[in-house]
Amino acid sequence: GAVVSQHPSRVICKSGTSVKIECRSLDFQATTMFWYRQFPKKSLMLMATSNEGSKATYEQGVEKDKFLINHASLTLSTLTVTSAHPEDSSFYICSARASGQGHNSPLHFGNGTRLTVT
Amino acid sequence: KQEVTQIPAALSVPEGENLVLNCSFTDSAIYNLQWFRQDPGKGLTSLLLIQSSQREQTSGRLNASLDKSSGRSTLYIAASQPGDSATYLCAVNYGGSQGNLIFGKGTKLSVKP
Repeated sequence: GAVVSQHPSRVICKSGTSVKIECRSLDFQATTMFWYRQFPKKSLMLMATSNEGSKATYEQGVEKDKFLINHASLTLSTLTVTSAHPEDSSFYICSARASGQGHNSPLHFGNGTRLTVT
Repeated sequence: KQEVTQIPAALSVPEGENLVLNCSFTDSAIYNLQWFRQDPGKGLTSLLLIQSSQREQTSGRLNASLDKSSGRSTLYIAASQPGDSATYLCAVNYGGSQGNLIFGKGTKLSVKP
């Protein structure tokens, strides 16, 4: 149980285009999902916290107009990288916590999306 | 600032050896600590989660310990195998931002046959 599906696993796009990444909790409902970014040889860094039915909370230094997050249902959150630039090339990974679980319950991670902007 | 540090950054051992990966964190007020495995270009596989009230957790050949007072955790891997080769990440849940995790940079383990 507790499977998180992330799609696509890889995407290559041209500068200036937008890319949407989907994160789905397959067998549980998730009020809260988290979006992380990982640059080569670096830690995973939290970008934003996504809450179903409300606006996402962005970490300092993350542009909310560039990284659009929509959490329209209890099983789906999307991250759209708008007007992508080569420096946005990274590994993006989402995670989810089952609704009703406390902060000390485990996070379940998707398999990540490798974004390459040419 | 809440930080998580993992030492060493890389480790190479011959097959069959027992090994220990280290994780330290700056703030002892944690909810829990989680160890993950990440294969190249892949997502995260959760290995063990230790709640703040626990001192260790075991799963098969893996044993994770937690010492909150000293801000340390270790991941012990017994009888290592080439299939254990991966990057191991330590992540701490401080309860902030609705319980997100703060990650270390990982230890890249290579087990040579």
